[in-house]
Amino acid sequence: QKEVEQDPGPLSVPEGAIVSLNCTYSNSAFQYFMWYRQYSRKGPELLMYTYSSGNKEDGRFTAQVDKSSKYISLFIRDSQPSDSATYLCAMTTGNQFYFGTGTSLTVIP
Amino acid sequence: SQTIHQWPATLVQPVGSPLSLECTVEGTSNPNLYWYRQAAGRGLQLLFYSVGIGQISSEVPQNLSASRPQDRQFILSSKKLLLSDSGFYLCAWWGFGTSGRVEQFFGPGTRLTVL
Repeated sequence: QKEVEQDPGPLSVPEGAIVSLNCTYSNSAFQYFMWYRQYSRKGPELLMYTYSSGNKEDGRFTAQVDKSSKYISLFIRDSQPSDSATYLCAMTTGNQFYFGTGTSLTVIP
Repeated sequence: SQTIHQWPATLVQPVGSPLSLECTVEGTSNPNLYWYRQAAGRGLQLLFYSVGIGQISSEVPQNLSASRPQDRQFILSSKKLLLSDSGFYLCAWWGFGTSGRVEQFFGPGTRLTVL
């Protein structure tokens, strides 16, 4: 079983839609949960991170962690064409990181 | 602020040739440094990480090696490249900023094609 599972998509939504991206994981020792955005041919950019369970909001982005279900989500409100990218989730216990394969998102104007 | 430099940006190498990719970090001391590989259509695969000079942890057995000769320098090497070594290689730094917030930065990456 993979440490982190993420639906690769692709996901295509109209501008203004609410986008939901999800990952599941198997290691209950993970403490930090991250979401990255990666544009084509660029390195990933850290969007948000959450420590332990709960929600975190930053502008149009909301990250949720449910440790009991081993499930994390990233919600994007009022999606924009500039949000079109690949979104990767990642988790860590400290030094080692485990990434999902990424979900490709296209927001259509 | 932290900056990660990687070079070269692109590289085309024949099978069996050696490889050396360099990563340097500015704006932080004693960083945790990582080498990742991202193959087409796949996620990030952790290759090596280092918590200090001379300290290397290998995650995936392969024909690659890493070294950390200086605090802010991380090098990825191979003596003989394989076709399967093609991919996008990313160096990354992870740690806590002055405010205590988690920070992670990725370098611009090296796109390696082995022919």
